[in-house]
Amino acid sequence: DGGITQSPKYLFRKEGQNVTLSCEQNLNHDAMYWYRQDPGQGLRLIYYSQIVNDFQKGDIAEGYSVSREKKESFPLTVTSAQKNPTAFYLCASSKRVGTGGETQYFGPGTRLLVL
Amino acid sequence: AQSVAQPEDQVNVAEGNPLTVKCTYSVSGNPYLFWYVQYPNRGLQFLLKYITGDNLVKGSYGFEAEFNKSQTSFHLKKPSALVSDSALYFCAVRLLSGNTGKLIFGQGTTLQVKP
Repeated sequence: DGGITQSPKYLFRKEGQNVTLSCEQNLNHDAMYWYRQDPGQGLRLIYYSQIVNDFQKGDIAEGYSVSREKKESFPLTVTSAQKNPTAFYLCASSKRVGTGGETQYFGPGTRLLVL
Repeated sequence: AQSVAQPEDQVNVAEGNPLTVKCTYSVSGNPYLFWYVQYPNRGLQFLLKYITGDNLVKGSYGFEAEFNKSQTSFHLKKPSALVSDSALYFCAVRLLSGNTGKLIFGQGTTLQVKP
């Protein structure tokens, strides 16, 4: 988990509320990723960013939004449009894609629960 | 469709015995292959990866994995299991096309090592 921090560790969301999950890395990585983990389903990609001020949708982007204003930060907002947000959210980062065999390193995760 | 399969939800092994966690993949081309481990309520920790070269890859904590192109498999192995190896293990494939860095994960295998 070293080098990537996520906060908070636990987050509670009320109906109709937007919440933002923080992800910060000090590894000087260009690329950052957000994954959602549900029991028995592995990890699914929500959004990714290969460079500052640019990001792309992953496989399950609906109901989520991101920004990449700084190299070290990649916050994820879970909007009210996400009807089933309860999950474990993992942020990851890697060296610039294309340099060969880039390993993604993960943060400790944020568990989101709906009240 | 491109996918990664971990055919066993759970693997049980006695401490000191060898262990194998299976992974097969179905992707076009020659992908990069990864193994990660996850302890409860924690992020994923990188164990090892295969990019090219020797089919037997050695990684952290005494783990190794064997790449078999003809069987499209990348099984994780350890000669002598420890109780502390008990965790959730994920196999992942990075697609080389599109240059996105996207990983496709298997659904995970729980390893239980009993004293």
